[in-house]
Amino acid sequence: AQSVTQPDIHITVSEGASLELRCNYSYGATPYLFWYVQSPGQGLQLLLKYFSGDTLVQGIKGFEAEFKRSQSSFNLRKPSVHWSDAAEYFCAVVGAGNNRKLIWGLGTSLAVNP
Amino acid sequence: DGGITQSPKYLFRKEGQNVTLSCEQNLNHDAMYWYRQDPGQGLRLIYYSQIVNDFQKGDIAEGYSVSREKKESFPLTVTSAQKNPTAFYLCASSFGAEAFFGQGTRLTVV
Repeated sequence: AQSVTQPDIHITVSEGASLELRCNYSYGATPYLFWYVQSPGQGLQLLLKYFSGDTLVQGIKGFEAEFKRSQSSFNLRKPSVHWSDAAEYFCAVVGAGNNRKLIWGLGTSLAVNP
Repeated sequence: DGGITQSPKYLFRKEGQNVTLSCEQNLNHDAMYWYRQDPGQGLRLIYYSQIVNDFQKGDIAEGYSVSREKKESFPLTVTSAQKNPTAFYLCASSFGAEAFFGQGTRLTVV
């Protein structure tokens, strides 16, 4: 069965430091991959997505992610974190079959120290 | 502006009462979804609908019901059979693989 693993439940970084959030997936074919961000008490906003082509994708708010097929990973990165980046981050993959349901990781909570 | 509107943002109900959460979209998307979110458990799919007048159970459908009479609307009813209904509920719609989310409804049952 398809699955998404976000190994880090909680991460704390200092403002201005670099950030990498990990995401590993289990899927038999070429996946469609997504990163979403959720501020407390809010809905989810799409940061970026990978369907095909260039394996390094750029998103909103200065985020990028790299698809590595050999490692089944789609890690999210940002060179310099801002205090406003504190939020919950979710990785997701589109499942197999015609229903195209998203399979979600459990999320990584990011705290930013001033 | 196009988007997904969930109402109300906060909802309080007494135990044993049914309650209906509203979800409306003007994105002209065929597919719509309801998720439940609890701390540390990510997003769990309750129901989804890929077309008007059709819907399927997700992973945690027990105690919930939905309808899809119009393309724009996908209301979720939390019934008295749901043993632990207090949670944050998210509605989404999708075009192709990408999902768009509402701002959520926080339901508290006392």
